[in-house]
Amino acid sequence: EPEVTQTPSHQVTQMGQEVILRCVPISNHLYFYWYRQILGQKVEFLVSFYNNEISEKSEIFDDQFSVERPDGSNFTLKIRSTKLEDSAMYFCASSEADRVNYGYTFGSGTRLTVV
Amino acid sequence: LAKTTQPISMDSYEGQEVNITCSHNNIATNDYITWYQQFPSQGPRFIIQGYKTKVTNEVASLFIPADRKSSTLSLPRVSLSDTAVYYCLVGDLNYGGSQGNLIFGKGTKLSVKP
Repeated sequence: EPEVTQTPSHQVTQMGQEVILRCVPISNHLYFYWYRQILGQKVEFLVSFYNNEISEKSEIFDDQFSVERPDGSNFTLKIRSTKLEDSAMYFCASSEADRVNYGYTFGSGTRLTVV
Repeated sequence: LAKTTQPISMDSYEGQEVNITCSHNNIATNDYITWYQQFPSQGPRFIIQGYKTKVTNEVASLFIPADRKSSTLSLPRVSLSDTAVYYCLVGDLNYGGSQGNLIFGKGTKLSVKP
């Protein structure tokens, strides 16, 4: 079964540092997403991406966040200057189409700890 | 997107059938009902999706009454490995390419005991 791959699985960074979280979506998928989940809380939407541009973003996705698809396979989330409250699991997802009935495939996540 | 309500937690024993009901009174004509499963420290996993009546796959069944204001996820003969959080989501068929974000609620934490 095709998978969404995320690296690293764990990342510890100091407050104020930049981090880049990496994702390899399923190869024939066209829509890409980032979600995050703070420990014990809900899975929250951050951003959706299609055709090399952001389709939609949430209030969480402020100027400190950016996404990029630098080549044909990778999809990255950059946090420019991390804050303690950015500590969370970050999940990448992809789908064949931007429609809920296709189902999204999520990666296993990157646990980001900001100290 | 329609708001959903589901129990916060449920307990079951191995081998039992588990039914988790989700209320979505404001479901729209174009909305599908989708269930995801999430294990600790893992991403959500798509389980099943339906529009009306009954849908069955190798993992679960989804029952949707005629008024579609609720749905029930049925897990046959659960095992310890089915312990997870189960999310019910309701969303539009056609996002038009600009509104594809899934909105997760708190889900139902299912605990399966030996």
